Amino acid sequence: EAGVVQSPRYKIIEKKQPVAFWCNPISGHNTLYWYRQNLGQGPELLIRYENEEAVDDSQLPKDRFSAERLKGVDSTLKIQPAELGDSAVYLCASSQKTSSHEQFFGPGTRLTVL
Amino acid sequence: GNSVTQMEGPVTLSEEAFLTINCTYTATGYPSLFWYVQYPGEGLQLLLKATKADDKGSNKGFEATYRKETTSFHLEKGSVQVSDSAVYFCALSADYGGSQGNLIFGKGTKLSVKP
Repeated sequence: EAGVVQSPRYKIIEKKQPVAFWCNPISGHNTLYWYRQNLGQGPELLIRYENEEAVDDSQLPKDRFSAERLKGVDSTLKIQPAELGDSAVYLCASSQKTSSHEQFFGPGTRLTVL
Repeated sequence: GNSVTQMEGPVTLSEEAFLTINCTYTATGYPSLFWYVQYPGEGLQLLLKATKADDKGSNKGFEATYRKETTSFHLEKGSVQVSDSAVYFCALSADYGGSQGNLIFGKGTKLSVKP
């Protein structure tokens, strides 16, 4: 069974440019999470989806970040415009349902903003 | 709010040494507790979990016991191997409310095992 797929794996952009990350969760997983992991820190939740509904986006900086999960499968996280402080690894995770507890993580996208 | 504190690294051990990585938490109610591991170049993987007080999670020789009285979930292994070199994250998940299921992570502890 394929795991969580993310692309691209690495992205280097200049500040003020837009960037987008894509995630394909494990088949059949209804819940999808986006996390941001700063260097030397643990991941921090940005947004959680139950199917196509964003049920917790309280930690998403909405002035520049947006996300969507069309048809309740793949998801895209966008930053526009990017700032230097956005350099981090962006992780996508999925689980069968919120209460199943085990989340499966993708390899992440390492973003560098110059 | 909910939080996780784990011992800072890096931790360097010789092969076959005993490992302890301390983890304490702050949470209301009865959270579930997890240890995740991140091997070099790979994504986070669930190592073990415990969902209620006094539960012991175990996997690959690692163990951790959910201690509500000390709000702790320390990770232990009796004899580490070079292949255990990785970053270990302690995490909790609230058991109720709108954030149920969201993981809150500690900062991670890097373990290096020397042959």
